[in-house]
Amino acid sequence: DAKTTQPNSMESNEEEPVHLPCNHSTISGTDYIHWYRQLPSQGPEYVIHGLTSNVNNRMASLAIAEDRKSSTLILHRATLRDAAVYYCILRDVGAGSYQLTFGKGTKLSVIP
Amino acid sequence: DGGITQSPKYLFRKEGQNVTLSCEQNLNHDAMYWYRQDPGQGLRLIYYSQIVNDFQKGDIAEGYSVSREKKESFPLTVTSAQKNPTAFYLCASRTGGNNQPQHFGDGTRLSIL
Repeated sequence: DAKTTQPNSMESNEEEPVHLPCNHSTISGTDYIHWYRQLPSQGPEYVIHGLTSNVNNRMASLAIAEDRKSSTLILHRATLRDAAVYYCILRDVGAGSYQLTFGKGTKLSVIP
Repeated sequence: DGGITQSPKYLFRKEGQNVTLSCEQNLNHDAMYWYRQDPGQGLRLIYYSQIVNDFQKGDIAEGYSVSREKKESFPLTVTSAQKNPTAFYLCASRTGGNNQPQHFGDGTRLSIL
């Protein structure tokens, strides 16, 4: 899978929106952009995924740049329960690889 | 509720001992995965199974074994050949195409006595 780059850490105040960036300049046309998050001592939790268009679900929104070389995960109102490590992952559906390649992600701290 | 159940939550292994980690899902998913996570690191794939009675090695399969006799179950055995087994082990499952998300259990933390 192609590589992604995320900031090591970010902070947000509770109740404010959070924009988590991800760069993926080598993305291919068949790569889907997936976001997961992991709370301490828990398994990763799927957040959202998309290919080209912006996506919304009950947890978050995903904004994808027109050239697809970057994307942003948007949490509309951060809560203390959103404090986690957020992973941006590319999935090439055409490749034989079946695993998710997790990097180090962005550790989000939420300040009360 | 549908989901993935891993047990036990904590497990201790003595030197030379094999231990088996349980993973059960009631999501009716075809594909199942085992990952290992070391402190401050991402996940590494140990084994995966796309269908019952079939499984493939991932990047770090040495010292581990699996079976897939039932769709719902994908147990992982950590053998005595795995010299550094202390880690957080995560099981996941997926249905549909490769672009579909994986659903994870809450993990088993294995330590050496």
